[in-house]
Amino acid sequence: KAGVTQTPRYLIKTRGQQVTLSCSPISGHRSVSWYQQTPGQGLQFLFEYFSETQRNKGNFPGRFSGRQFSNSRSEMNVSTLELGDSALYLCASSPGEVGVTCAEAFFGQGTRLTVV
Amino acid sequence: QKEVEQDPGPLSVPEGAIVSLNCTYSNSAFQYFMWYRQYSRKGPELLMYTYSSGNKEDGRFTAQVDKSSKYISLFIRDSQPSDSATYLCAMCGAGSYQLTFGKGTKLSVIP
Repeated sequence: KAGVTQTPRYLIKTRGQQVTLSCSPISGHRSVSWYQQTPGQGLQFLFEYFSETQRNKGNFPGRFSGRQFSNSRSEMNVSTLELGDSALYLCASSPGEVGVTCAEAFFGQGTRLTVV
Repeated sequence: QKEVEQDPGPLSVPEGAIVSLNCTYSNSAFQYFMWYRQYSRKGPELLMYTYSSGNKEDGRFTAQVDKSSKYISLFIRDSQPSDSATYLCAMCGAGSYQLTFGKGTKLSVIP
């Protein structure tokens, strides 16, 4: 069974640009969550999507947005990039059904974004 | 005060040692407690999870949760150089998919 696939693995962008990251969850999983990992703040929750609907959102500015498609693949977008957005962006895949716990979250390898 | 506190280390131990990793938390709504292992330049890998209080064992790994003290632990027996990684504790409330993480403890097991 294929794992969580994130593309691209590495990105370098300039301040002010925007970026789109992609996540393909494990087959059959309908929930996709996004996290930002930095040395200073650790892993922080961005948002979670289930069946194309955002169910939960973390405490990040509106420049961070996401969406989910009918095949459960998800994208996140960051507009007007700032130097502080440099981070490892991780996607987690879960079945997402009622009764299935947060413990069943499996992470991808991440996309390393560098803003210069 | 952060919701989840974890000593970042680094922690360096000789091969074969018993390793103890710990987290404390403040949110009494947390019900699920996870330990992830993250190698350099990789995503976190789920090691084990525990629901509510109690112990859980899986091979060389034992997870403990003490909800009365809001304290969780991961023990690694007979540590190996391949265990060298960053260990992250994570937790969430019932019905939630939002994981709250500790900052991670970097472990080095020296041959």
